[in-house]
Amino acid sequence: EAGVAQSPRYKIIEKRQSVAFWCNPISGHATLYWYQQILGQGPKLLIQFQNNGVVDDSQLPKDRFSAERLKGVDSTLKIQPAKLEDSAVYLCASSLRLLEGVETQYFGPGTRLLVL
Amino acid sequence: GQNIDQPTEMTATEGAIVQINCTYQTSGFNGLFWYQQHAGEAPTFLSYNVLDGLEEKGRFSSFLSRSKGYSYLLLKELQMKDSASYLCAGLDSNYQLIWGAGTKLIIKP
Repeated sequence: EAGVAQSPRYKIIEKRQSVAFWCNPISGHATLYWYQQILGQGPKLLIQFQNNGVVDDSQLPKDRFSAERLKGVDSTLKIQPAKLEDSAVYLCASSLRLLEGVETQYFGPGTRLLVL
Repeated sequence: GQNIDQPTEMTATEGAIVQINCTYQTSGFNGLFWYQQHAGEAPTFLSYNVLDGLEEKGRFSSFLSRSKGYSYLLLKELQMKDSASYLCAGLDSNYQLIWGAGTKLIIKP
């Protein structure tokens, strides 16, 4: 079974530029998550999709970040314009139901973003 | 507020046993996850506990005490490849994961 795919793996941009990340979840996984992980910290949830609908985007900085999952499969996360503090690893995960209401998340390799 | 606490870093010797502790405070509780994350890689699922007690999976075991808001991950017969960060995450009443900052485990020969 193929895992969660993400691209690009690395990206270096200058502040105020735009950047987009792509994620393709594991086939059949309805739920998709985008996380930001700053070095030395745990992942921080940015947005959660259930199929093509948003479940939680309370921690997404909506003035500069946007995400979509138009057909309920792959997803893109965009930052426009980028700030220095956006330098982090952006992880995409999809999930499989473990128990009622409980889902195990499977992560992609991440995109490492450096903003100069 | 919601909070997950775990030590920042631990060191252990190859072949030994190490216990990584985690205390949690979540709004409601629907279980606790442990993930392993090697440097520069994505987290991978290790275990999930929702009932009190010990769950064993080969060299790794995870324990939960709901009354104490406490969990630990036990790693036996440590190997060099176990050098990684171990992330504890609690599932709150909305089934959202609250993540700890991770414990960096260093294995020495």
